[in-house]
Amino acid sequence: EVQLVESGGGLVQPGGSLRLSCAASGFTFSNYWMTWVRQAPGQGLEWVATIKEDGSNKYYVDSLKGRFTISRDNAKNSVYLQMNSLRVEDTAVYYCARDYGSGSYYAFWGQGTLVTVSS
Amino acid sequence: DIQMTQSPSTLSASVGDRVTITCRASQSISSLLAWYQQKPGKAPKLLIFRASILESGVPSRFSGSGSGTEFIFTISSLQPDDFATYYCQQYIALGTFGQGTKVEIK
Repeated sequence: EVQLVESGGGLVQPGGSLRLSCAASGFTFSNYWMTWVRQAPGQGLEWVATIKEDGSNKYYVDSLKGRFTISRDNAKNSVYLQMNSLRVEDTAVYYCARDYGSGSYYAFWGQGTLVTVSS
Repeated sequence: DIQMTQSPSTLSASVGDRVTITCRASQSISSLLAWYQQKPGKAPKLLIFRASILESGVPSRFSGSGSGTEFIFTISSLQPDDFATYYCQQYIALGTFGQGTKVEIK
């Protein structure tokens, strides 16, 4: 059974940093692209970042480039999202998701982790 | 960047109604479109991919059609479990989502 479990969310002050983790199991992690999607309170889904199976390519939504970094450790079956210079508007539930193929749709999602940016 | 526009934003319907949601892409995405259902406090659930292919285990009352820039999502007979928010997502160029359509009880 495919499982994705996010962790690392919490309360952080504006300007602070946070690192989210997503632990994967139930499939061969190193074969799949992985993605982070976020959802601000009461808002829709926003694609954040995607990383290729070997980590060689990373893609970001334009509005977040330079502040967020996606990475992965295939030996640990984990994908990460390093978030720097956090803003109030980054407050959201962050989901990790497994691509079906190379940069495609998402058949598997984690339960999400809440990031709250507030003073 | 490819923009996805869903309509309507909110839809009021009754059990048994036929429900239709439209998703438009700002440029052609071929058939590389997925539809998701999301309930409050839960992760999205994949319903349809490649515009019209039903994900395994998804009831046949859900269907999708379209290609290029215009796509339709239909629930043929709305059931109590279907009251939720629905999103389209293009994946020809990574993963832009539509803004969502909330299906609420009339």
